[in-house]
Amino acid sequence: ETGVTQTPRHLVMGMTNKKSLKCEQHLGHNAMYWYKQSAKKPLELMFVYSLEERVENNSVPSRFSPECPNSSHLFLHLHTLQPEDSALYLCASSQTAVERSYNEQFFGPGTRLTVL
Amino acid sequence: KNQVEQSPQSLIILEGKNCTLQCNYTVSPFSNLRWYKQDTGRGPVSLTIMTFSENTKSNGRYTATLDADTKQSSLHITASQLSDSASYICVVSARSGGYNKLIFGAGTRLAVHP
Repeated sequence: ETGVTQTPRHLVMGMTNKKSLKCEQHLGHNAMYWYKQSAKKPLELMFVYSLEERVENNSVPSRFSPECPNSSHLFLHLHTLQPEDSALYLCASSQTAVERSYNEQFFGPGTRLTVL
Repeated sequence: KNQVEQSPQSLIILEGKNCTLQCNYTVSPFSNLRWYKQDTGRGPVSLTIMTFSENTKSNGRYTATLDADTKQSSLHITASQLSDSASYICVVSARSGGYNKLIFGAGTRLAVHP
């Protein structure tokens, strides 16, 4: 295991539902990330948090709302999603969000989201 | 535009054989290049990280090479095992002077058959 956990592992929701994805890291890292992975496409960075402060929002629609209450936990709140939002949502953490050569990102197992 | 392209898109080999996966990038300014392995239904796991000055790095049966002049990298897998069946993702980090900027390839899906 990488030290990054995500729940739930699978989620099916209707377009009018509200749900939340949870990520927890046990590595003492200061940076956390949300990525979207669609079939046969590269990972897309959604949000970056550094010391609980959002430092990057990659033009993500407002129906995705991140929350970082402390450096170990990261949430992604979902509401009024579209079927094209169905994907694998990956959380990652790293020692720092600042660019450094060996600043490795550790990924969680992901939440497989299906929007009906 | 910063891009990472991987080839082939998918590959099938027999157990015990070697294979090489390719990665070409147009990322500037370059900071480092990483190879990740992603098993089905799981998150990516790092295999190697190479900076500009490193041209080869090994991790067990995995050997990555980097040619910073031609902006190419390869991942060579020796004596493949069934557990090597996974997607292999090439990731290039751009030196942004600030926060990490990772550019991901779409991955090569490798299937190792008995």
